[in-house]
Amino acid sequence: SQQGEEDPQALSIQEGENATMNCSYKTSINNLQWYRQNSGRGLVHLILIRSNEREKHSGRLRVTLDTSKKSSSLLITASRAADTASYFCATDLEGAQKLVFGQGTRLTINP
Amino acid sequence: DAGVIQSPRHEVTEMGQEVTLRCKPISGHNSLFWYRQTMMRGLELLIYFNNNVPIDDSGMPEDRFSAKMPNASFSTLKIQPSEPRDSAVYFCASSLAWEPQHFGDGTRLSIL
Repeated sequence: SQQGEEDPQALSIQEGENATMNCSYKTSINNLQWYRQNSGRGLVHLILIRSNEREKHSGRLRVTLDTSKKSSSLLITASRAADTASYFCATDLEGAQKLVFGQGTRLTINP
Repeated sequence: DAGVIQSPRHEVTEMGQEVTLRCKPISGHNSLFWYRQTMMRGLELLIYFNNNVPIDDSGMPEDRFSAKMPNASFSTLKIQPSEPRDSAVYFCASSLAWEPQHFGDGTRLSIL
């Protein structure tokens, strides 16, 4: 089964609102990453948070990590139509370079 | 700065045929990953290379799949013979060591 599970599977909000997506995982990790995928395109790396970090910011993105609960959240503030995409969390199994991706959250921003 | 380049972007072929997908990683990157994405199974890692050497091929579905990386600037994923259940989008990604991965735009493969 997938290491990472995103919640919700789909999210539809109005432009300007904040969007929050959650990710849960099962085993110990070195870091957790979030990627975005626009329709018909490859994944694009957004942000990486290490296991010893609790929160990280990048522009309108805020990521939190709770290793005790094995969960992470991605917050996109002041959403724009261009944020419409699927968002995936990815975890590396401790000591391994390869990533395991969740099933993703499909985000739709309505103008 | 050119990104990861995959070819072809689309491939439609009949079952039983050999399919070869190609990938050119970002120059200077030493790790290369092949993924498959389907609605049912999501994004799955098939195989990855470090410095042109296959490190983990545990995700390769079966012997019909093979991957090579003859040099640092080129990799292929081959399916022979192809089956309809191989229909998916195949992505190649590259990275410098443990840094985040850069993905190509994928090859959409349809096996009829």
